[in-house]
Amino acid sequence: GNSVTQMEGPVTLSEEAFLTINCTYTATGYPSLFWYVQYPGEGLQLLLKATKADDKGSNKGFEATYRKETTSFHLEKGSVQVSDSAVYFCALLPLGTSYGKLTFGQGTILTVHP
Amino acid sequence: EAGVTQFPSHSVIEKGQTVTLRCDPISGHDNLYWYRRVMGKEIKFLLHFVKESKQDESGMPNNRFLAERTGGTYSTLKVQPAELEDSGVYFCASSIRTGGSTGELFFGEGSRLTVL
Repeated sequence: GNSVTQMEGPVTLSEEAFLTINCTYTATGYPSLFWYVQYPGEGLQLLLKATKADDKGSNKGFEATYRKETTSFHLEKGSVQVSDSAVYFCALLPLGTSYGKLTFGQGTILTVHP
Repeated sequence: EAGVTQFPSHSVIEKGQTVTLRCDPISGHDNLYWYRRVMGKEIKFLLHFVKESKQDESGMPNNRFLAERTGGTYSTLKVQPAELEDSGVYFCASSIRTGGSTGELFFGEGSRLTVL
């Protein structure tokens, strides 16, 4: 079956530090890959996505590259801000799925201190 | 434009009681989903509606869970009778596209259910 594994949290960083949150997946074929973020008091929202191998998704300074060789989609940001404190979820959508039946990882809590 | 709204935000009930969670999707979104996150683990798919029709309820844990979407607008998820293992955060999400999925869902804040 499909599965997503994220690095264990919580992750605590100082402002302007470099961020990496690891995500690997297991799926048949080439799924679409996503990072969702949940800020305090809000619902999950799509941060970025990639739909095929070697694609790079980017948004708000965050990036992730779809690596089929390593079945990974690691999230990175060069300089985090306090406002990036949130829970980050990696997710996949199997190839050819006609509706939003996402498979999520367990989430990684990020706390950024001033 | 209003986002996905869920009610209640938090419900605390005794084992054996009944709870009904409500979700109002974004206006015009035909697709409505329920997901659940238990004990800080991964968020898991429960079911999917297109308008008022259940398309996929493969993630529903058992027959104590009943989801409805009368009239194709808001949806309710009833748990009856509730058990301890039902505790968690129940997320509702909606999307507009029906002919294929981009994977972009719009989520509510979630309803936290605590069963004592």
